[in-house]
Amino acid sequence: GQQLNQSPQSMFIQEGEDVSMNCTSSSIFNTWLWYKQDPGEGPVLLIALYKAGELTSNGRLTAQFGITRKDSFLNISASIPSDVGIYFCAGRKVETSGSRLTFGEGTQLTVNP
Amino acid sequence: SAVISQKPSRDICQRGTSLTIQCQVDSQVTMMFWYRQQPGQSLTLIATANQGSEATYESGFVIDKFPISRPNLTFSTLTVSNMSPEDSSIYLCSVVRAAYNEQFFGPGTRLTVL
Repeated sequence: GQQLNQSPQSMFIQEGEDVSMNCTSSSIFNTWLWYKQDPGEGPVLLIALYKAGELTSNGRLTAQFGITRKDSFLNISASIPSDVGIYFCAGRKVETSGSRLTFGEGTQLTVNP
Repeated sequence: SAVISQKPSRDICQRGTSLTIQCQVDSQVTMMFWYRQQPGQSLTLIATANQGSEATYESGFVIDKFPISRPNLTFSTLTVSNMSPEDSSIYLCSVVRAAYNEQFFGPGTRLTVL
């Protein structure tokens, strides 16, 4: 199925640095979700966004629903080693029935202590 | 959030055999889905599990290969039939609860086909 354009594909950062990743699409979405997946685990929901322009925080994580409804970003502040993992964005289209999600390709984050 | 369990958590199977994966949720949910995640890849939707009726399959997935059952609002099974090494993946159950519009994933079943 259609994939979202998620970037960057991978990031290597030092502990304490801030991180930013984003997703873009040619389609309009009415919901954006951000997940983190650890090795051998299922994706865990981090933040859900429902309105254009919405800015939501969850601890050191902040995500925004783009005004155009075609993009979203996730920021992680003051990264720590346990932030390591794969981060996925996912969008639910306005016209999609059955609540199907479209997923980005993922951003692999590595944090060096 | 919804608590989702999957059985088995992992399995190693022989070519040509079938494996049934179970998904149990701790509360009633409106929608249940099955996803596949091939090594190093993103998640791909296999089908929507419909209670009391046939599942709705995505393009590229067919009922003969991936039969799905959903007898009630908290349980579903996915069978991977006549397996080949190309079926080696993580299979994930996912649910949406009414009024929340959030989607949660189970821990996954890691399948290796020899």
